[in-house]
Amino acid sequence: DAKTTQPTSMDCAEGRAANLPCNHSTISGNEYVYWYRQIHSQGPQYIIHGLKNNETNEMASLIITEDRKSSTLILPHATLRDTAVYYCIVSGDSGGGADGLTFGKGTHLIIQP
Amino acid sequence: DAGITQSPRHKVTETGTPVTLRCHQTENHRYMYWYRQDPGHGLRLIHYSYGVKDTDKGEVSDGYSVSRSKTEDFLLTLESATSSQTSVYFCAIRKGLAGVGTYNEQFFGPGTRLTVL
Repeated sequence: DAKTTQPTSMDCAEGRAANLPCNHSTISGNEYVYWYRQIHSQGPQYIIHGLKNNETNEMASLIITEDRKSSTLILPHATLRDTAVYYCIVSGDSGGGADGLTFGKGTHLIIQP
Repeated sequence: DAGITQSPRHKVTETGTPVTLRCHQTENHRYMYWYRQDPGHGLRLIHYSYGVKDTDKGEVSDGYSVSRSKTEDFLLTLESATSSQTSVYFCAIRKGLAGVGTYNEQFFGPGTRLTVL
């Protein structure tokens, strides 16, 4: 799986949009971009994933650049409960294998009141 | 939460003793995973299972074994616990099937905090 690079930490004011960048310059054509978050030692929580098109769900939006070498997770109206470590993961299908996910250190997002 | 429970949630044990952690799911998903997480690090894959009696090693499998005799249960065993295995252990399931064109969305349990003295 391709390696990802994320900032170690970020701050965002409550109510503002939080934009979390991720670089995945070695991503290959069949690899998806996933975002998970982990709130204070709980189990990681799936947020969103995408292949090449932008995606939106009830939690967030995912913007993937046209060359797919980077992406941005957007939390449109951050709340204090969004304070967490956010992981950007690139994972492909191995043709039938049950791939585990490769977690880096993620970005610690702190929402300020 | 995909009906995933882990037991025990906390355990303190001594070096050299065997320890078994249990992951239980209620939705009959085929794929199950065990990860460990150490302070300041992301999760690392220990073992995974792609069906009853079908398991394989992950990135950090040394010192661990697993078993899956029923779809709903995936057991992680530390045959002789060491202090380096002090960690938080997470179980996960993957919904749906793996294969070309599928994606890998996993759901995680609440974790087991293991301390080996």
